[in-house]
Amino acid sequence: SQQGEEDPQALSIQEGENATMNCSYKTSINNLQWYRQNSGRGLVHLILIRSNEREKHSGRLRVTLDTSKKSSSLLITASRAADTASYFCATDGAGANNLFFGTGTRLTVIP
Amino acid sequence: NAGVTQTPKFQVLKTGQSMTLQCAQDMNHEYMSWYRQDPGMGLRLIHYSVGAGITDQGEVPNGYNVSRSTTEDFPLRLLSAAPSQTSVYFCASSKRTGVGFTEAFFGQGTRLTVV
Repeated sequence: SQQGEEDPQALSIQEGENATMNCSYKTSINNLQWYRQNSGRGLVHLILIRSNEREKHSGRLRVTLDTSKKSSSLLITASRAADTASYFCATDGAGANNLFFGTGTRLTVIP
Repeated sequence: NAGVTQTPKFQVLKTGQSMTLQCAQDMNHEYMSWYRQDPGMGLRLIHYSVGAGITDQGEVPNGYNVSRSTTEDFPLRLLSAAPSQTSVYFCASSKRTGVGFTEAFFGQGTRLTVV
């Protein structure tokens, strides 16, 4: 399977702390994307990083990509209780017709 | 702009029954897909389509059929429901450019229970 894997599976932090979650994948990619899923809802796109980019920022989000290690990290700074959700990475391999999703990290931010 | 509309939101089926999950998008995306989400398993690709008239199997296609007669609609049919198909189903659409996929838009999901 080309499915990515997020690490850790679950993360619990205090409000105001930073949250870091990681994604590893198996094949070469065009892009890597991060999504957020609130409980019982559909996934919402957060950020896309291309294979020739190493870092990208969007508000309190910072994404890094290391194609030599086939890994990416998502950093959420100054977390809020509203950030409580599951976070998924998704990759599309070179020549692939699919987006493959990882297994997700469940983030809990304690007020 | 409605995005991706998925119906129904909830469904209970008896083993052996058939049904169709509806998915429609109004963004003129050529790429549409169906995923199922089980606890601890992430999203697994069932079927996908790269344009009207073109469909293909994903990771877990058994027990499901799809068709794509228009760009907007991509229904998923359960042929003979089994308890193993109890799951949450998501439809998604996106565009594909020369450098890969753009962001995917998801429906709100269908929570299916097969008894």
